Amino acid sequence: DTAVSQTPKYLVTQMGNDKSIKCEQNLGHDTMYWYKQDSKKFLKIMFSYNNKELIINETVPNRFSPKSPDKAHLNLHINSLELGDSAVYFCASSQEASGATGELFFGEGSRLTVL
Amino acid sequence: AQKVTQAQTEISVVEKEDVTLDCVYETRDTTYYLFWYKQPPSGELVFLIRRNSFDEQNEISGRYSWNFQKSTSSFNFTITASQVVDSAVYFCALRAYGGYNKLIFGAGTRLAVHP
Repeated sequence: DTAVSQTPKYLVTQMGNDKSIKCEQNLGHDTMYWYKQDSKKFLKIMFSYNNKELIINETVPNRFSPKSPDKAHLNLHINSLELGDSAVYFCASSQEASGATGELFFGEGSRLTVL
Repeated sequence: AQKVTQAQTEISVVEKEDVTLDCVYETRDTTYYLFWYKQPPSGELVFLIRRNSFDEQNEISGRYSWNFQKSTSSFNFTITASQVVDSAVYFCALRAYGGYNKLIFGAGTRLAVHP
């Protein structure tokens, strides 16, 4: 069983469309994250939820809206897609929001291509 | 502000060579955590190691070793007797102690190990 799973793995869409990426973790963790990796491989945090509550919200356009229906799921919805949104989006989870370990378990990534 | 610098963009070695990946960090925190992650060509992010700032003991795990030097704000990673399977992008990351689990990643170093 995959610990952190994301769907879809690949997503190709036109500018202006709305799309969602889903993430589920079966590790029993309390905290989940979305990271964006751009074409130069740079990884940057976007959001974090702890037990369904938003705790980290970086400077991200409000076209991006995360939703956490329960602590095992964190979805990312993107409205009015732009070319610059093309990237690999990684979901991750950790046992606690501010625990000592800090180890993040990452999903395999979802590659979004906006044409 | 926190920052992680991985000055080596790409490194190319021949199998069995030793290779060191550099990581220099900046933080005003007196206590923090440092991490290394591996991203193989398949794209997932794999946790390698976590180091606490109050523990400067170097660590060895098989062919991997880490040299943490607080005086120079460096956390370098050495692969001994490199193998083709070591080919990947390696990321160094920093996290403040306390507060939320927000990893600040370096830009990554792409390691190519040739047979």
